[in-house]
Amino acid sequence: GDSVTQMEGPVTLSEEAFLTINCTYTATGYPSLFWYVQYPGEGLQLLLKATKADDKGSNKGFEATYRKETTSFHLEKGSVQVSDSAVYFCALSDYGGTSYGKLTFGQGTILTVHP
Amino acid sequence: SAVISQKPSRDICQRGTSLTIQCQVDSQVTMMFWYRQQPGQSLTLIATANQGSEATYESGFVIDKFPISRPNLTFSTLTVSNMSPEDSSIYLCSARDSGEKLFFGSGTQLSVL
Repeated sequence: GDSVTQMEGPVTLSEEAFLTINCTYTATGYPSLFWYVQYPGEGLQLLLKATKADDKGSNKGFEATYRKETTSFHLEKGSVQVSDSAVYFCALSDYGGTSYGKLTFGQGTILTVHP
Repeated sequence: SAVISQKPSRDICQRGTSLTIQCQVDSQVTMMFWYRQQPGQSLTLIATANQGSEATYESGFVIDKFPISRPNLTFSTLTVSNMSPEDSSIYLCSARDSGEKLFFGSGTQLSVL
């Protein structure tokens, strides 16, 4: 079945540091890939997505490129802020038939950014 | 974008009782989903709530334990039945709109004593 593996956390960075959170996936079809973010006390929010190979999703300074050859969708940000402290989830959706709209999530990575 | 209201936001329940979680969307959505996030773990899909028919459950989840209703295109409930401490989790409602975007409620944090 489909699966998503994220790098182990938690990740602790200083403000303005470079961020990478690794994500690899296993899927039988051609999935869409997502990064979701969960800020303290809030619900999940879509951060960015990519629907086909070589697509780059970007939002709020975060980027991730859909790499089919390495089955990866690593999240990056050049300069993190304290307000980026949150839990980040990589996810995939293997569209087709009854699976349309279902998401398979990675285990989540807690990011803490210090001033 | 759709806004999802989920309640209760948290509850503490006794073993053997049941809790019903409500999910209200501010617009009609095509599909609704219920997820569970156990402590320290990722989100796991429980079931897809189908309007006008029985929910479709994922492996490891059964209707007797997690009955789901979806009476219309904007509302769904999940009941956690005969609770045990192992059911302590965050339960999340999700909805997909016609534009294929997925939205999530803020979750229900359930603690079973």
